[in-house]
Amino acid sequence: NAGVTQTPKFQVLKTGQSMTLQCAQDMNHEYMSWYRQDPGMGLRLIHYSVGAGITDQGEVPNGYNVSRSTTEDFPLRLLSAAPSQTSVYFCASRPTGANYGYTFGSGTRLTVV
Amino acid sequence: AQTVTQSQPEMSVQEAETVTLSCTYDTSENNYYLFWYKQPPSRQMILVIRQEAYKQQNATENRFSVNFQKAAKSFSLKISDSQLGDTAMYFCAFGMNTGNQFYFGTGTSLTVIP
Repeated sequence: NAGVTQTPKFQVLKTGQSMTLQCAQDMNHEYMSWYRQDPGMGLRLIHYSVGAGITDQGEVPNGYNVSRSTTEDFPLRLLSAAPSQTSVYFCASRPTGANYGYTFGSGTRLTVV
Repeated sequence: AQTVTQSQPEMSVQEAETVTLSCTYDTSENNYYLFWYKQPPSRQMILVIRQEAYKQQNATENRFSVNFQKAAKSFSLKISDSQLGDTAMYFCAFGMNTGNQFYFGTGTSLTVIP
């Protein structure tokens, strides 16, 4: 089925470890974004991309890196995990027109101990 | 920056009854889009309904409808004939074509009581 594929679904990291959350979409969407969801805070934008080779910071970018080498893939890298990065992470994509809204992946629950 | 406010952290409704979830937003723009997303316990974010700001007619999708009041910057979601499967977190969202301006509210947790 067409959509946004996120891996892994669950992950436990030790403080200081690094990892990459994978995200791929097969809808040829130009826009891709990473959000984190924390209780009582809704979804906050970490990084986004408006096309291959173009990325920009969102509201809470510190501690995260992204790259967009292809239209399909948009991985999120945690450089040195901290307990404050314990959260649920969502990758989402949409066409250029915002009227379509975002299509979301199934999320990654990350725990940093 | 645009803001989206959902003032009801939690709500409950009896099965088969009607419930309305509130959302207000703040923007100086004239062209934008509004959305309601549903997040059931499975965690998947599902688009429920969308509204273009330039359309006066309120959007409807089966049992879901919105009351869009542009001047008041209000965008409420009405769920009719509530079903147990409607139990979820509901997020209001605001989007624009410019840049990546897409903002979410903090969510309303809805419980449908049998």
